[in-house]
Amino acid sequence: DQQVKQNSPSLSVQEGRISILNCDYTNSMFDYFLWYKKYPAEGPTFLISISSIKDKNEDGRFTVFLNKSAKHLSLHIVPSQPGDSAVYFCAASLLFSSNTGKLIFGQGTTLQVKP
Amino acid sequence: GAVVSQHPSWVICKSGTSVKIECRSLDFQATTMFWYRQFPKQSLMLMATSNEGSKATYEQGVEKDKFLINHASLTLSTLTVTSAHPEDSSFYICSARGQTSGGTDYNEQFFGPGTRLTVL
Repeated sequence: DQQVKQNSPSLSVQEGRISILNCDYTNSMFDYFLWYKKYPAEGPTFLISISSIKDKNEDGRFTVFLNKSAKHLSLHIVPSQPGDSAVYFCAASLLFSSNTGKLIFGQGTTLQVKP
Repeated sequence: GAVVSQHPSWVICKSGTSVKIECRSLDFQATTMFWYRQFPKQSLMLMATSNEGSKATYEQGVEKDKFLINHASLTLSTLTVTSAHPEDSSFYICSARGQTSGGTDYNEQFFGPGTRLTVL
Protein backbone atom coordinates (compact mmCIF):
# COMPACT_ATOMS: atom_id res chain seq x y z
CA ASP A 1 0.00 0.00 0.00
CA GLN A 2 1.80 3.09 -1.26
CA GLN A 3 0.62 5.92 0.96
CA VAL A 4 2.80 8.52 -0.74
CA LYS A 5 2.99 8.50 -4.51
CA GLN A 6 5.09 10.35 -7.03
CA ASN A 7 3.54 9.30 -10.30
CA SER A 8 6.13 10.89 -12.56
CA PRO A 9 9.37 8.93 -12.45
CA SER A 10 11.21 11.60 -14.41
CA LEU A 11 11.00 15.23 -15.50
CA SER A 12 13.15 17.19 -17.94
CA VAL A 13 13.22 21.00 -17.86
CA GLN A 14 15.22 23.69 -19.60
CA GLU A 15 17.52 25.81 -17.48
CA GLY A 16 15.80 28.97 -16.26
CA ARG A 17 12.31 27.50 -16.52
CA ILE A 18 10.09 26.29 -13.72
CA SER A 19 10.26 22.71 -12.47
CA ILE A 20 7.11 21.34 -10.89
CA LEU A 21 7.30 18.06 -9.03
CA ASN A 22 4.11 16.47 -7.81
CA CYS A 23 3.21 14.19 -4.94
CA ASP A 24 -0.05 12.60 -3.82
CA TYR A 25 -0.88 10.94 -0.53
CA THR A 26 -3.72 8.82 0.73
CA ASN A 27 -3.59 9.16 4.52
CA SER A 28 -5.50 12.26 5.61
CA MET A 29 -3.86 12.02 9.03
CA PHE A 30 -0.46 13.08 7.69
CA ASP A 31 0.34 16.47 9.20
CA TYR A 32 3.83 17.26 7.99
CA PHE A 33 5.35 17.02 4.54
CA LEU A 34 8.92 17.30 3.36
CA TRP A 35 10.91 17.34 0.15
CA TYR A 36 14.36 15.82 -0.10
CA LYS A 37 16.93 15.92 -2.87
CA LYS A 38 19.17 12.93 -3.45
CA TYR A 39 22.22 12.26 -5.59
CA PRO A 40 23.26 8.69 -6.43
CA ALA A 41 25.08 6.86 -3.63
CA GLU A 42 24.40 9.70 -1.18
CA GLY A 43 21.86 10.25 1.56
CA PRO A 44 18.89 12.56 0.98
CA THR A 45 19.32 16.25 1.69
CA PHE A 46 16.45 18.15 3.27
CA LEU A 47 15.05 20.90 1.04
CA ILE A 48 11.83 22.30 2.39
CA SER A 49 8.88 21.29 4.52
CA ILE A 50 5.32 22.32 5.20
CA SER A 51 2.91 21.56 8.00
CA SER A 52 -0.71 20.76 7.32
CA ILE A 53 -1.87 24.07 8.77
CA LYS A 54 -0.31 25.91 5.85
CA ASP A 55 -0.86 25.78 2.12
CA LYS A 56 2.39 27.34 0.99
CA ASN A 57 5.96 27.61 2.15
CA GLU A 58 8.70 29.40 0.28
CA ASP A 59 12.47 29.26 0.64
CA GLY A 60 14.49 30.99 -2.05
CA ARG A 61 13.94 29.25 -5.36
CA PHE A 62 11.90 26.48 -3.74
CA THR A 63 8.20 26.70 -2.95
CA VAL A 64 6.02 23.90 -1.68
CA PHE A 65 2.25 24.00 -2.11
CA LEU A 66 -0.15 21.84 -0.16
CA ASN A 67 -3.73 21.10 -1.22
CA LYS A 68 -5.22 19.11 1.64
CA SER A 69 -8.59 18.57 0.04
CA ALA A 70 -6.92 16.96 -2.95
CA LYS A 71 -4.24 15.29 -0.80
CA HIS A 72 -1.66 16.73 -3.13
CA LEU A 73 1.53 18.66 -2.74
CA SER A 74 3.95 20.07 -5.24
CA LEU A 75 7.45 21.47 -5.26
CA HIS A 76 8.20 24.40 -7.55
CA ILE A 77 11.77 25.30 -8.43
CA VAL A 78 12.18 28.68 -10.12
CA PRO A 79 14.44 29.27 -11.93
CA SER A 80 15.72 25.76 -12.50
CA GLN A 81 19.47 25.28 -12.64
CA PRO A 82 21.56 22.38 -13.96
CA GLY A 83 22.77 21.75 -10.40
CA ASP A 84 19.18 20.96 -9.44
CA SER A 85 19.40 17.74 -11.45
CA ALA A 86 18.84 14.95 -8.92
CA VAL A 87 16.18 12.62 -7.58
CA TYR A 88 13.52 14.39 -5.52
CA PHE A 89 11.57 12.53 -2.86
CA CYS A 90 8.50 13.78 -1.11
CA ALA A 91 7.79 12.41 2.33
CA ALA A 92 4.92 12.57 4.77
CA SER A 93 4.82 12.24 8.51
CA LEU A 94 2.47 11.93 11.43
CA LEU A 95 4.68 14.35 13.26
CA PHE A 96 2.37 15.96 15.73
CA SER A 97 -0.09 13.16 16.29
CA SER A 98 2.31 10.28 16.80
CA ASN A 99 5.44 12.10 17.95
CA THR A 100 7.67 9.49 16.32
CA GLY A 101 8.14 11.57 13.20
CA LYS A 102 8.74 8.58 10.99
CA LEU A 103 8.67 9.41 7.31
CA ILE A 104 6.82 7.68 4.51
CA PHE A 105 8.58 8.33 1.20
CA GLY A 106 7.32 8.51 -2.33
CA GLN A 107 9.10 6.67 -5.11
CA GLY A 108 11.07 9.69 -6.23
CA THR A 109 11.16 11.81 -9.39
CA THR A 110 14.36 12.23 -11.34
CA LEU A 111 14.73 15.83 -12.44
CA GLN A 112 17.03 16.73 -15.28
CA VAL A 113 17.68 20.40 -15.95
CA LYS A 114 19.21 20.95 -19.35
CA PRO A 115 21.58 23.87 -19.95
CA GLY B 1 24.66 22.20 11.70
CA ALA B 2 22.67 18.95 11.75
CA VAL B 3 25.28 16.66 10.24
CA VAL B 4 24.90 12.91 10.27
CA SER B 5 27.74 10.57 9.37
CA GLN B 6 27.78 6.88 8.54
CA HIS B 7 30.59 4.39 8.61
CA PRO B 8 31.59 2.55 6.55
CA SER B 9 30.48 4.13 3.30
CA TRP B 10 30.70 0.78 1.59
CA VAL B 11 31.38 -2.79 2.62
CA ILE B 12 31.73 -6.10 0.83
CA CYS B 13 31.37 -9.27 2.86
CA LYS B 14 30.95 -13.00 2.44
CA SER B 15 27.62 -14.67 2.88
CA GLY B 16 27.04 -15.74 6.49
CA THR B 17 29.10 -13.01 8.10
CA SER B 18 27.81 -10.09 10.16
CA VAL B 19 28.29 -6.45 9.29
CA LYS B 20 27.95 -3.45 11.59
CA ILE B 21 27.06 0.02 10.29
CA GLU B 22 27.47 3.08 12.49
CA CYS B 23 25.38 6.23 12.37
CA ARG B 24 26.49 9.33 14.25
CA SER B 25 24.95 12.76 14.76
CA LEU B 26 27.94 15.09 14.82
CA ASP B 27 26.56 18.37 16.11
CA PHE B 28 23.24 17.64 17.74
CA GLN B 29 21.64 15.19 20.12
CA ALA B 30 19.71 12.56 18.20
CA THR B 31 16.86 11.45 20.40
CA THR B 32 15.45 9.39 17.56
CA MET B 33 17.28 7.61 14.77
CA PHE B 34 15.80 5.84 11.79
CA TRP B 35 17.20 3.14 9.55
CA TYR B 36 16.19 2.85 5.91
CA ARG B 37 17.17 0.65 3.01
CA GLN B 38 16.93 1.56 -0.63
CA PHE B 39 17.02 -0.83 -3.55
CA PRO B 40 18.06 0.52 -6.96
CA LYS B 41 15.54 2.95 -8.43
CA GLN B 42 13.18 2.43 -5.54
CA SER B 43 12.01 4.50 -2.61
CA LEU B 44 13.54 4.60 0.83
CA MET B 45 11.88 1.97 2.98
CA LEU B 46 11.87 2.50 6.72
CA MET B 47 13.23 -0.52 8.57
CA ALA B 48 13.11 0.61 12.18
CA THR B 49 12.91 3.53 14.56
CA SER B 50 15.12 3.74 17.61
CA ASN B 51 14.99 6.04 20.57
CA GLU B 52 18.04 6.52 22.74
CA GLY B 53 18.14 4.02 25.56
CA SER B 54 15.18 1.91 24.46
CA LYS B 55 14.50 -0.96 22.11
CA ALA B 56 13.99 -0.25 18.44
CA THR B 57 10.57 -0.42 16.84
CA TYR B 58 10.68 -2.46 13.67
CA GLU B 59 8.44 -2.04 10.65
CA GLN B 60 6.29 -4.91 9.51
CA GLY B 61 8.27 -7.50 7.61
CA VAL B 62 11.65 -6.52 9.04
CA GLU B 63 13.30 -9.29 11.05
CA LYS B 64 14.50 -7.87 14.36
CA ASP B 65 16.84 -10.81 14.95
CA LYS B 66 18.51 -10.26 11.61
CA PHE B 67 18.81 -6.49 11.76
CA LEU B 68 20.04 -5.64 15.24
CA ILE B 69 19.78 -1.99 16.19
CA ASN B 70 21.46 -0.37 19.16
CA HIS B 71 20.99 3.28 20.14
CA ALA B 72 23.12 3.48 23.24
CA SER B 73 23.85 7.20 23.21
CA LEU B 74 22.40 10.43 21.90
CA THR B 75 24.96 10.55 19.11
CA LEU B 76 25.36 6.94 18.00
CA SER B 77 23.16 4.20 16.62
CA THR B 78 24.37 0.96 15.07
CA LEU B 79 22.74 -1.47 12.66
CA THR B 80 24.17 -4.98 12.56
CA VAL B 81 23.16 -7.20 9.67
CA THR B 82 23.62 -10.71 11.05
CA SER B 83 24.34 -13.74 8.87
CA ALA B 84 24.19 -11.59 5.77
CA HIS B 85 23.00 -13.08 2.49
CA PRO B 86 23.17 -11.74 -1.06
CA GLU B 87 19.55 -10.57 -0.86
CA ASP B 88 20.60 -8.23 1.96
CA SER B 89 22.76 -6.32 -0.49
CA SER B 90 21.35 -2.81 -0.53
CA PHE B 91 21.97 0.83 0.28
CA TYR B 92 21.40 1.42 3.99
CA ILE B 93 20.73 4.95 5.16
CA CYS B 94 20.26 6.30 8.65
CA SER B 95 18.63 9.53 9.70
CA ALA B 96 18.32 11.41 12.94
CA ARG B 97 15.96 13.78 14.67
CA GLY B 98 16.72 15.58 17.85
CA GLN B 99 17.67 18.79 19.54
CA THR B 100 20.39 21.36 19.19
CA SER B 101 22.53 22.17 22.20
CA GLY B 102 20.23 25.13 22.77
CA GLY B 103 17.24 22.84 23.11
CA THR B 104 15.59 23.64 19.76
CA ASP B 105 13.72 20.68 18.31
CA TYR B 106 14.43 19.59 14.79
CA ASN B 107 11.24 18.57 13.00
CA GLU B 108 13.18 17.40 10.00
CA GLN B 109 15.19 14.24 9.74
CA PHE B 110 18.79 14.64 8.70
CA PHE B 111 20.23 11.81 6.70
CA GLY B 112 23.60 10.19 6.66
CA PRO B 113 25.43 9.59 3.38
CA GLY B 114 24.45 5.92 3.30
CA THR B 115 26.32 2.61 3.33
CA ARG B 116 26.48 0.35 0.29
CA LEU B 117 26.44 -3.28 1.42
CA THR B 118 27.35 -6.00 -1.02
CA VAL B 119 27.12 -9.60 0.13
CA LEU B 120 28.92 -12.11 -2.04
